[in-house]
Amino acid sequence: GAVVSQHPSWVICKSGTSVKIECRSLDFQATTMFWYRQFPKQSLMLMATSNEGSKATYEQGVEKDKFLINHASLTLSTLTVTSAHPEDSSFYICSATTSGRWNEQFFGPGTRLTVL
Amino acid sequence: AQSVAQPEDQVNVAEGNPLTVKCTYSVSGNPYLFWYVQYPNRGLQFLLKYITGDNLVKGSYGFEAEFNKSQTSFHLKKPSALVSDSALYFCAVRDFILTGGGNKLTFGTGTQLKVEL
Repeated sequence: GAVVSQHPSWVICKSGTSVKIECRSLDFQATTMFWYRQFPKQSLMLMATSNEGSKATYEQGVEKDKFLINHASLTLSTLTVTSAHPEDSSFYICSATTSGRWNEQFFGPGTRLTVL
Repeated sequence: AQSVAQPEDQVNVAEGNPLTVKCTYSVSGNPYLFWYVQYPNRGLQFLLKYITGDNLVKGSYGFEAEFNKSQTSFHLKKPSALVSDSALYFCAVRDFILTGGGNKLTFGTGTQLKVEL
């Protein structure tokens, strides 16, 4: 099946620093990638949707200047959490999909971000 | 907007017994439904999907789901549970088709399945 990787799997940083998370589709070209945030024992909250070469579409309430998304190629999207604060600590999951209208999303393993 | 509901936060079942994880949906138009499983500190793994056709959908790891239009349900089932099935299960519905292709999904709140010996 389709494989999506994320790097790093976990990161600890100091408040005020920026953190970049990479999402790669390893064996397929992803026309669309999604970034989710998940709080403990809760569902996934969609943060933004990105297409290769286009600006990301952010969900209501998500700060686009804080969560920078770049979808540079059909196999790579990055999420940068700028000036991170403890409240940004969370589990971030990306997913990727192809253009077929019936196609499911394939999820990465997630990145645990802890901001001290 | 499309939505799904998972009425149970947790389901406990003994190994070897059948299991059911419930999901109901609310959509305008035809529903396109998915089940995903999440193991601790991992991303979601696709189990199965319903688009059209047979009401009984077979998926990965021996799971299946029954689509019931009259009850607006899409319950996940497995005839004989394993301890290794213990995980968090999410039902999802396609919200809409994105301009660039692919589906935007809306997820339920998740059901924690615990299978005990």
